[in-house]
Amino acid sequence: QVQLQESGPGLVKPSQTLSLTCSVSGASLSSAHYFWSWIRQHPGGGLEWIGYISFSGTTYYNPSLKSRLTISVDMSKNQFSLNLSSVTAADTAVYFCASYSTGNFDYWGQGTLVTVSS
Amino acid sequence: EIVLTQSPDFQSVTPKEKVTITCRAGQSIGSNLHWYQQKPDQSPKLLVRFASRSVSGVPSRFRGSGSGTDFTLTINSLEAEDAATYYCHQSSSLPLTFGGGTKVEIK
Repeated sequence: QVQLQESGPGLVKPSQTLSLTCSVSGASLSSAHYFWSWIRQHPGGGLEWIGYISFSGTTYYNPSLKSRLTISVDMSKNQFSLNLSSVTAADTAVYFCASYSTGNFDYWGQGTLVTVSS
Repeated sequence: EIVLTQSPDFQSVTPKEKVTITCRAGQSIGSNLHWYQQKPDQSPKLLVRFASRSVSGVPSRFRGSGSGTDFTLTINSLEAEDAATYYCHQSSSLPLTFGGGTKVEIK
């Protein structure tokens, strides 16, 4: 059973960088079977795909966030990370990490709320 | 970007009734459409894959159908535990997108 767990600050100041880490157990980030993904959900809102990274380190980003976004992998820790720069209040959301395989997000973390406020 | 439009936005339903949720894609996506259930304060859970394929562990009352641009999620004989928001998602092309969600309330 694959398990994912997000971690990181719950409060980020405007214009700073939002940084989150997803720890994965039950699967190796070097597996070609998965793309390791980030998704967010604004308060009371729907789901927005942020981007994902493959086992080889290739990244695919949502164009709406691409200029501010970096997703990376630390194979030694079996973790992947999200960095979103120059944040504003519009980036306040619950951030989920998830595994993406054969077209589906099959395993999800519990989500972590990040609030952007001074 | 492929826009997914769900309807209705909200539905209040009596237990044992049938629920029908539709998802329309802005362009043809074949069968690359999936359905998720999200309960309050939980992460989404995959219900149906590739329009109509069942997912292990998901009750058989959840059924998906459709192809191209028009898709349907049917919940036969709604149970109280089915109170949730339901989302469609397309994997046909990047960026991956989701529908706006349909909230199902139990009367």
